[in-house]
Amino acid sequence: DAKTTQPPSMDCAEGRAANLPCNHSTISGNEYVYWYRQIHSQGPQYIIHGLKNNETNEMASLIITEDRKSSTLILPHATLRDTAVYYCIVRVAENAGGTSYGKLTFGQGTILTVHP
Amino acid sequence: NAGVTQTPKFRILKIGQSMTLQCTQDMNHNYMYWYRQDPGMGLKLIYYSVGAGITDKGEVPNGYNVSRSTTEDFPLRLELAAPSQTSVYFCASRDRESPLHFGNGTRLTVT
Repeated sequence: DAKTTQPPSMDCAEGRAANLPCNHSTISGNEYVYWYRQIHSQGPQYIIHGLKNNETNEMASLIITEDRKSSTLILPHATLRDTAVYYCIVRVAENAGGTSYGKLTFGQGTILTVHP
Repeated sequence: NAGVTQTPKFRILKIGQSMTLQCTQDMNHNYMYWYRQDPGMGLKLIYYSVGAGITDKGEVPNGYNVSRSTTEDFPLRLELAAPSQTSVYFCASRDRESPLHFGNGTRLTVT
């Protein structure tokens, strides 16, 4: 399964867009990119995912480069409540065979601090 | 719909004791996971299961055991607790193409 690399920390001013990068240069064609965030010591919360196309939902936008080697999570108007650890992970699609498609590992993530 | 339920929320163990962390989900998800998170660190995968009767090791399986006799339950067993197992343990589940749903965690201290 592809590994991901994220900057350890980032800052953002309240009301501005937060752009969180993720490198997944070894991603395979059948691997999705998922983003989660973890506030304080709660269980991580799903944000968004994508395969090839850019995606948008009520929480964020996901921009995936054409070669799929990197992606960016965009929080369009960051608030103080968006301060959290953000994790980017890749997940193999179901038809990969064996049980490896079930394995999901997390990296260290990016600590995003939104300041007033 | 309760989602993913973990018990207990907190536990203090003495070195060498054993315990089972319980995890149950009511979403009929096939895939279930156990992660541990040490202070200031990311999540490490301990074990996972892609269906009843099927389990597989993750990144840090040593010192732990799991079973998956039903779709709903995925207990994590610590046989001989060690201080290095002091951590927060998260259980999660998902279905084929759905994202992970996490429980609220179990905070374990081994002294």
